[in-house]
Amino acid sequence: GAVVSQHPSWVICKSGTSVKIECRSLDFQATTMFWYRQFPKQSLMLMATSNEGSKATYEQGVEKDKFLINHASLTLSTLTVTSAHPEDSSFYICSARRSSDTQYFGPGTRLTVL
Amino acid sequence: RKEVEQDPGPFNVPEGATVAFNCTYSNSASQSFFWYRQDCRKEPKLLMSVYSSGNEDGRFTAQLNRASQYISLLIRDSKLSDSATYLCVVNPGGATNKLIFGTGTLLAVQP
Repeated sequence: GAVVSQHPSWVICKSGTSVKIECRSLDFQATTMFWYRQFPKQSLMLMATSNEGSKATYEQGVEKDKFLINHASLTLSTLTVTSAHPEDSSFYICSARRSSDTQYFGPGTRLTVL
Repeated sequence: RKEVEQDPGPFNVPEGATVAFNCTYSNSASQSFFWYRQDCRKEPKLLMSVYSSGNEDGRFTAQLNRASQYISLLIRDSKLSDSATYLCVVNPGGATNKLIFGTGTLLAVQP
């Protein structure tokens, strides 16, 4: 199957710092990538839809100025958590859409903000 | 009402048991449906798509009832390795084809 990678796989940072997470589709081009967040014992919640060459579409309640998304190429999308706080600690997962219906998920990035 | 609702779980079953998970969705215009499996601290992985005619993949059978907006997953002859969280996922349609995830049902298969 298709492969999607994320980097880093985990990160620990101090409150107030910014963290960048990369999502790459390794063997296909993805015009659309999705960013999810998952808190413990909860399901994945879609944060935003990342479109190559255009602005991301954010879900209701997600601050676009706090979660900066850049989709500069067909194989790379980045999510930057700006001025991270402990409540931003979560499991961040990206997915890349290969066809109209199929999404492939990255392995996730576990963010811990102290 | 949540867009996708699942059995709360957890389900604790012995090896070899048959277990069924249920899911309902609120958007009648939803276009496609899936079951994903998520292991602890890992990303979700597609288990199977769900079609109106019902579909089977080995020990796994998925059913869709559009009139009742209901999806099911049946696992026969449970294995220890089936222990995971099973996520009901719905694509409500539209240009972005985003996925809506249920909260998941935890399955623990006991030896």
